Amino acid sequence: NAGVTQTPKFRILKIGQSMTLQCTQDMNHNYMYWYRQDPGMGLKLIYYSVGAGITDKGEVPNGYNVSRSTTEDFPLRLELAAPSQTSVYFCASSSGTGTETQYFGPGTRLLVL
Amino acid sequence: QQQVKQSPQSLIVQKGGISIINCAYENTAFDYFPWYQQFPGKGPALLIAIRPDVSEKKEGRFTISFNKSAKQFSLHIMDSQPGDSATYFCAASDSGTYKYIFGTGTRLKVLA
Repeated sequence: NAGVTQTPKFRILKIGQSMTLQCTQDMNHNYMYWYRQDPGMGLKLIYYSVGAGITDKGEVPNGYNVSRSTTEDFPLRLELAAPSQTSVYFCASSSGTGTETQYFGPGTRLLVL
Repeated sequence: QQQVKQSPQSLIVQKGGISIINCAYENTAFDYFPWYQQFPGKGPALLIAIRPDVSEKKEGRFTISFNKSAKQFSLHIMDSQPGDSATYFCAASDSGTYKYIFGTGTRLKVLA
């Protein structure tokens, strides 16, 4: 099993550009999450999904959109990139509710200039 | 009430020493407290977790101590090794939700 995979590993965007961060898991997990990690700030939840077709906002959803058309994939869309979106983005998945282990991908480092 | 406060922000320990990282929470609905370990360039990975029905959980050199009345929990790394150098995150969740609340992280450096 590959677990959770993310692409790209690193990307530089210009202000106002858009991009999609890809996330795929092969563990048949229903629950998937997108976090951003900023220095000294820990991990902040952007969006999460409890199954295909069901998504909901986390703590910091502004400037992002998600979709979940399959169990495996949970892409994160950035529209009109801003410098404040410079961060490291992690996708995670779990098999159940809050007491289940979350498995993280290797992350995507995004720089918005 | 949704915050988890973690300290210290960074920690330097000599090889063989004990590393201690502390976390505090306010929401009494939290009933699951995992610790995640993150190496540079990697995603976080579960290290050890505890539920509030026990006061301590030990796995090898790693121990979680839990104080329900004080709403605090801590990670102890015994006989710390240079390979333990990483960032450690505490987290808390309510089993009725799907979300973790993470602490701000502690960067641990173990000197050889």
